[in-house]
Amino acid sequence: AQKITQTQPGMFVQEKEAVTLDCTYDTSDPSYGLFWYKQPSSGEMIFLIYQGSYDQQNATEGRYSLNFQKARKSANLVISASQLGDSAMYFCAMREGPAGNMLTFGGGTRLMVKP
Amino acid sequence: DSGVTQTPKHLITATGQRVTLRCSPRSGDLSVYWYQQSLDQGLQFLIQYYNGEERAKGNILERFSAQQFPDLHSELNLSSLELGDSALYFCASSVPWGGANVLTFGAGSRLTVL
Repeated sequence: AQKITQTQPGMFVQEKEAVTLDCTYDTSDPSYGLFWYKQPSSGEMIFLIYQGSYDQQNATEGRYSLNFQKARKSANLVISASQLGDSAMYFCAMREGPAGNMLTFGGGTRLMVKP
Repeated sequence: DSGVTQTPKHLITATGQRVTLRCSPRSGDLSVYWYQQSLDQGLQFLIQYYNGEERAKGNILERFSAQQFPDLHSELNLSSLELGDSALYFCASSVPWGGANVLTFGAGSRLTVL
């Protein structure tokens, strides 16, 4: 079974609107971490946001927030007020266990922001 | 700027050849992680070094090897190259973020095997 599933291969969003990118995960480890990365067409991987399995509150970082629903094993990324520069591939990833950064990545979602 | 430096940025070579990719982690960071991003396998963890010692191994082929030197830079050696080894190879370091450690990636080395 896939450990990280991103079911949206591609999405369009209108500039200035909010968008949610889906991510579901599968693990039996009680301690884990969930990450979101952005990969523009230039290729670099840019860290966006992190959520630990024991964190009580949803993580937020600027226009990014992580909608963490532990019982559903989902960790959706919400981008508010989309900008043209948000057009990129977005990857969800998981670390199992309390330490280390051996991440398992999902297949990614390509987000395209329309002017 | 992630602070992780990778060279070369692009590399084109032929099947059967050997190449070396180089990574300098963030200043003071003892850990180096290598990841591969290919069209068919997606992004996958290859190997981690910590202060010169191999710490964890992922889906790294036997034709590939890595090492971390006393100055903490790391090299990923890819030998007997095949067409399927064409990929973007990332090196990463851990950085603190809100009480956790997260990975910050270098710009990557894009390998094309012809």
